Parts: sequence; structure tokens; C-alpha cells
Amino acid sequence: KNEVEQSPQNLTAQEGEFITINCSYSVGISALHWLQQHPGGGIVSLFMLSSGKKKHGRLIATINIQEKHSSLHITASHPRDSAVYICAAFRIQGAQKLVFGQGTRLTINP
Amino acid sequence: EPEVTQTPSHQVTQMGQEVILRCVPISNHLYFYWYRQILGQKVEFLVSFYNNEISEKSEIFDDQFSVERPDGSNFTLKIRSTKLEDSAMYFCASQEGQGYNEQFFGPGTRLTVL
Repeated sequence: KNEVEQSPQNLTAQEGEFITINCSYSVGISALHWLQQHPGGGIVSLFMLSSGKKKHGRLIATINIQEKHSSLHITASHPRDSAVYICAAFRIQGAQKLVFGQGTRLTINP
Repeated sequence: EPEVTQTPSHQVTQMGQEVILRCVPISNHLYFYWYRQILGQKVEFLVSFYNNEISEKSEIFDDQFSVERPDGSNFTLKIRSTKLEDSAMYFCASQEGQGYNEQFFGPGTRLTVL
């Protein structure tokens, strides 16, 4: 079983829709990254959070440490949001390495 | 805005050859990482590096792999004798300080082993 699981694996939506991507983890973590990977392969950090909620533009990330769950929301989605979204967790034990989910491929159609 | 850079963007090599992947982390960062992503799979941790030594490595990081920071700016990953299964995207990341701080990723090097 993966330590970090994302759902859904693939998501297709129409422009303007509200998007939710979920991340559940089975290990004790201290913080969680949401990352965006574009078709060319590069990875960009969107958020790092250890509690509560963070907002940046149309993106909102929440985390519930007790329930071991985080969500990434995109409001008013746009075709340029099409990418793979990855959650990655910092484990409490060990060096500050990230454990990655398998990613959610998001496609926003115009 | 400071960024992590990696060279080359794409490397093609023959099986058994040595390759060196280069990274220039953000200048005031102290923690450095290599990750890899085999096509179609999730990103995997390879190694973390701090204070000129490896702090943790995964089971993937066997004797064929080595890392060093030769000159205080570059951070390199060497694969001594490449195998077909080393074909992947390799990402370097850096982090400013201790604790669970944001990691910044480079654009990646796509390694193809023929």
C-alpha cells in the first residue's frame, strides 16, 4: 500500500468548474507539499502546509493532520490549470525527504 | 526570483557509460536532494545531502550512484555504469534550512539509457 494516496487519478472538467483533488496518507507527517507538474516534466511547488488552510489566487489547500487528509481546490478552473498535481509528505521520522503520491492528471477543457 | 537549475536538460547515453547530472541549488540553501521519476510512475526519493555528506539514501541509491558538492555551488549526481532501468527524469531540489521547509525543484534532467 502506498504511504501517500491521491484521488482521483485522472480528472477531466469544463472550464469554470470547481476542482477538488484529495490526498490521504498513512504515515505520521509533519507537513505536506502540493506540487504541480507540467507536460514538459518540471515540478513547481504550490503550497507547503502543516495545519489549517492556505490560499494563493484560485488555489486553496487544506490539511487535517488528525484525519491524515489534505485537499487541493481550484476555483474557476481554466485550461492552463491542466497539469499533474502531486501531494508529497514530509515524514516525521528520518531526514527531510518527501514521500510522493502518484499524482492526479487534471484536464480542463475550454 | 532565485531558482534551482539543472544541466543537461536531456542526456542520452549507452548502457554501461558513466553520466554526471548537474544541479545549481538556490545559493543560501543548505539541504539538497535528488529524486527520480521513471516514465509513468511516481517521483521517488534518492538521496539527501547536508553539510557535505549524505544524510539519508534510499535503497535505489546503490554503489553505482554518488553525489558531491565539488565547489560550493554545484551539486552533482553521478551514475557510474548506467543500466537501462536508470532511464528516468532526475530532479534536484534544495531547501533553505532545518525543519520542514519548502523544497524548490529544478526543471529536471531526462536521462535515456540505450
